[in-house]
Amino acid sequence: EVQLLESGGGLVQPGGSLRLSCAASGFTFSDYAMSWVRQAPGKGLEWVSTISGSGGSTFYADSVRGRFTISRDNSNNTLYLQMNSLSAEDTAVYYCAKGGSGNSQVDYWGQGTLVTVSS
Amino acid sequence: EIVMTQSPATLSVSPGDRATLSCRASESVSSKLAWHQQKPGQAPRLLMYGASTRATGVPARFSGSGSGTEFTLTISSLQSEDFAVYYCQQYNNWPRFTFGQGTKLEIK
Repeated sequence: EVQLLESGGGLVQPGGSLRLSCAASGFTFSDYAMSWVRQAPGKGLEWVSTISGSGGSTFYADSVRGRFTISRDNSNNTLYLQMNSLSAEDTAVYYCAKGGSGNSQVDYWGQGTLVTVSS
Repeated sequence: EIVMTQSPATLSVSPGDRATLSCRASESVSSKLAWHQQKPGQAPRLLMYGASTRATGVPARFSGSGSGTEFTLTISSLQSEDFAVYYCQQYNNWPRFTFGQGTKLEIK
């Protein structure tokens, strides 16, 4: 059974940093691209970043490029998102999401971790 | 960026009735279209991919159709557990996924 468990969310001041983690199990982690998708309170889903299975390719939404860094540790089946220079607009639930076979849709979602940026 | 537009924003349907949700892409996404269901306080769940293929464990009352820019998700006989928000997602421009704004399916 695929399981994705996020951690690391919390309250942070504007301009601050936070590192999210996602522990994956139930599949061969290094075989699949992984993504972060966020959902602001009462809003829809927004793609944030994706990393290839090997970790050699990374992709970012324009809204976070230069501030967020996605990475993965395939030996420990863990996905990360380092978030710097946070602003109120980054307040959201952040979901870890597994990609399907090939370059395809999200097929599994974690339960999410809430990031609140506020003074 | 491929913009996904869902309609209607809210759909009120009685249990046992049929529901039809629409999703339109600003440019062709071929059949690279998925549907996700999200219940309050829960993570989304994949329902459909490739526009018309049900994900594992999804009941047969859910069906998807369309290609190019116009897509439909149909729920043939609504059950109480189907009332949720539904999002379409294009992945033709992988990995730059874009999602529709969602359709809230509520009990009439």
